[in-house]
Amino acid sequence: EADIYQTPRYLVIGTGKKITLECSQTMGHDKMYWYQQDPGMELHLIHYSYGVNSTEKGDLSSESTVSRIRTEHFPLTLESARPSHTSQYLCASQRRGTNEKLFFGSGTQLSVL
Amino acid sequence: GQSLEQPSEVTAVEGAIVQINCTYQTSGFYGLSWYQQHDGGAPTFLSYNGLDGLEETGRFSSFLSRSDSYGYLLLQELQMKDSASYFCAVYNFNKFYFGSGTKLNVKP
Repeated sequence: EADIYQTPRYLVIGTGKKITLECSQTMGHDKMYWYQQDPGMELHLIHYSYGVNSTEKGDLSSESTVSRIRTEHFPLTLESARPSHTSQYLCASQRRGTNEKLFFGSGTQLSVL
Repeated sequence: GQSLEQPSEVTAVEGAIVQINCTYQTSGFYGLSWYQQHDGGAPTFLSYNGLDGLEETGRFSSFLSRSDSYGYLLLQELQMKDSASYFCAVYNFNKFYFGSGTKLNVKP
């Protein structure tokens, strides 16, 4: 049922590099989210989108940016990665008119050296 | 703001029953959801309570009391594969807010 995909699954990069984490869903969901999660910790909302050309910052301050040019695609970009960005990044989508369920991608585990 | 409180860790033996509680404070409320997350994996949806009472899905049940701002997830006939973190979540202001998660350790 969960047709939401994230790439890459794992990424190790050096400080200062620009990276883009990809997220795509084939369910036609309008709302999409990015969460950041450290091991064993809670999920922190960093960005969300109501639909095409809509992007909002979440409750956790983040140096990343997002774009929503197509319904199915919601990439997250870090212009200059730092070791403090090391974390798991989870993308999720929500069916219109519902408020009970998020569909999550498999996540991207980012390590910045 | 939104606040969801859960115990940080619970341990139980295989075959037993365990209850994971969630108390919440929120200015608006549509319902309480539960998610399971294995180490290194993504959260997967387990259950949702939009109304007071008990919802049953196989070995898992979830309960909500709006008057007490409280809910719980009940796991029966525990299996080793149930070892995971469990998160409660609410939907408010067009966003989902998650609790800090409860790590369930199932012992043989």
